Amino acid sequence: EPEVTQTPSHQVTQMGQEVILRCVPISNHLYFYWYRQILGQKVEFLVSFYNNEISEKSEIFDDQFSVERPDGSNFTLKIRSTKLEDSAMYFCASRLTSGSHETQYFGPGTRLLVL
Amino acid sequence: AQKVTQAQTEISVVEKEDVTLDCVYETRDTTYYLFWYKQPPSGELVFLIRRNSFDEQNEISGRYSWNFQKSTSSFNFTITASQVVDSAVYFCALSSNTGNQFYFGTGTSLTVIP
Repeated sequence: EPEVTQTPSHQVTQMGQEVILRCVPISNHLYFYWYRQILGQKVEFLVSFYNNEISEKSEIFDDQFSVERPDGSNFTLKIRSTKLEDSAMYFCASRLTSGSHETQYFGPGTRLLVL
Repeated sequence: AQKVTQAQTEISVVEKEDVTLDCVYETRDTTYYLFWYKQPPSGELVFLIRRNSFDEQNEISGRYSWNFQKSTSSFNFTITASQVVDSAVYFCALSSNTGNQFYFGTGTSLTVIP
């Protein structure tokens, strides 16, 4: 069964460093998302991406964050200068079409720890 | 505004007991979708069910069942004859009318004691 994959599974970084989190969505899906989950809290929407551009983003997704789809398969989230409060689990998700009925399928997550 | 409330933070049950996880939502959309996801200790989010706002029929899948009541804006999830493998955090989510954003509740941590 097709699935969303994410790498790395865990990443530890120093405050102020740049990190890139990678995701490979399900191959025929067209809509891509990033969410984050601070430890013990709910999953929060960051950004949605379609047709090589951001379609929606939340207040959390400030100038420190960027997303891109550098090739036909990867979808990346970059945090330019990490802060302690960026420590969280980051989930990538993908969806086949634009309909609100469509399920978003989530990857296994990348656990980011900023020291 | 879209909002999902899961008032139960933690629940513990003894194996084979039935347990119901509550979910209450708020939305101004007339068309919307509700979801349940399971997050086991390993951390991934596993899709369990999707339900649209026009279909209030209850659904049963094995030991899992869902009760959607539009009148009370609730979408509750029941596990019958619980098992240790059911121990996880369960999230209820609401999709926006564009489907682009999922609004998650704070989750209910279920522990099934052998």
